[in-house]
Amino acid sequence: GAGVSQSPSNKVTEKGKDVELRCDPISGHTALYWYRQRLGQGLEFLIYFQGNSAPDKSGLPSDRFSAERTGESVSTLTIQRTQQEDSAVYLCASSLGDGSETQYFGPGTRLLVL
Amino acid sequence: KQEVTQIPAALSVPEGENLVLNCSFTDSAIYNLQWFRQDPGKGLTSLLLIQSSQREQTSGRLNASLDKSSGRSTLYIAASQPGDSATYLCAAQTGANNLFFGTGTRLTVIP
Repeated sequence: GAGVSQSPSNKVTEKGKDVELRCDPISGHTALYWYRQRLGQGLEFLIYFQGNSAPDKSGLPSDRFSAERTGESVSTLTIQRTQQEDSAVYLCASSLGDGSETQYFGPGTRLLVL
Repeated sequence: KQEVTQIPAALSVPEGENLVLNCSFTDSAIYNLQWFRQDPGKGLTSLLLIQSSQREQTSGRLNASLDKSSGRSTLYIAASQPGDSATYLCAAQTGANNLFFGTGTRLTVIP
């Protein structure tokens, strides 16, 4: 089937505005991850969902960041009161379960905060 | 906290050469070590995954090795082609929750 999809592909917003980023994982994948990649830096883990378990939010950089996932489907990453340092590519990945499976990544959302 | 380092940051080679990309990690208690390819404007593509109990994995012209005790992994690309040009990322998975990524090696294969 289709791979991981993300929308929008690009988002330009003004400082202080809220943004929502969407991720559609591969059907049947119970695990879903959000990462952030700032320019010239490695990927940073943000949040992890596994089935109906409580998500691991340990990577969220501040309380302005939140994410939701309904069951084993779509996830939304929300950034409130955006700051310029939030500018980055936000990548979503999904995998079959909670073991050592390969993660499949979406194309990312490029966020620019002016 | 796991730290992953990749050397070199950038590499240019003529077409046809064999090459090695290096990855090191500080915490040997890993579930697996993964290599990804990142193309501009596209998402990451998983290349190889080496479980902690394995020493190497092969896929086509790619061979990845893992030495947990020394905290090192290498990605060997045989007979490089211009289509191999991309950024290669390694990542160490230390639990179910996430991967720790290196900053990548940008490879350019010159026709």
